[in-house]
Amino acid sequence: GQQLNQSPQSMFIQEGEDVSMNCTSSSIFNTWLWYKQDPGEGPVLLIALYKAGELTSNGRLTAQFGITRKDSFLNISASIPSDVGIYFCAGQLEGGGSNYKLTFGKGTLLTVNP
Amino acid sequence: NAGVMQNPRHLVRRRGQEARLRCSPMKGHSHVYWYRQLPEEGLKFMVYLQKENIIDESGMPKERFSAEFPKEGPSILRIQQVVRGDSAAYFCASSGLPTGELFFGEGSRLTVL
Repeated sequence: GQQLNQSPQSMFIQEGEDVSMNCTSSSIFNTWLWYKQDPGEGPVLLIALYKAGELTSNGRLTAQFGITRKDSFLNISASIPSDVGIYFCAGQLEGGGSNYKLTFGKGTLLTVNP
Repeated sequence: NAGVMQNPRHLVRRRGQEARLRCSPMKGHSHVYWYRQLPEEGLKFMVYLQKENIIDESGMPKERFSAEFPKEGPSILRIQQVVRGDSAAYFCASSGLPTGELFFGEGSRLTVL
């Protein structure tokens, strides 16, 4: 099946630091989504991107849809302890039409030291 | 609570039993997706349904697994004759307007003894 390569797998940072993670693929995507998952919970949508080159912010989070439509990154600025969790990128492949089946990356585990 | 509702949150079954997982989509959403998540893995697509129709079941095992989304009532993911390898978290997501944004429930965690 289609794969999204998400990196890094894990990050350990100090509170206040900025964080960057990304996803790449050999396939073209129509939509990129970034989710956060806390232990024992479902993924929560953070940011959705729909156009190549699009740069979107949600508070301290910023994400971009790569120009080639094969990648996306997520930045978190001035991290705080509650940013701890697993961050997943997800994309809808080109040609999916109205089937919004998503392909997920394997996640980035973020740990923030107070 | 207008979110995606899943139940049960936790389910324990012995090998050979049946598991039924239920999902009520967000109000106004007519598209339902089921995903499976193994420990320390991303979510894997299983099946996409609209009311009374299975649209894409390419991610669902051919045997023992079935899904439905009836005209009335929740979507149901059914696993017959469960085996230990079925132990996982099963997430349901729904979408409404054609925005591609899927909203997930809190998941049902199946443990097969």
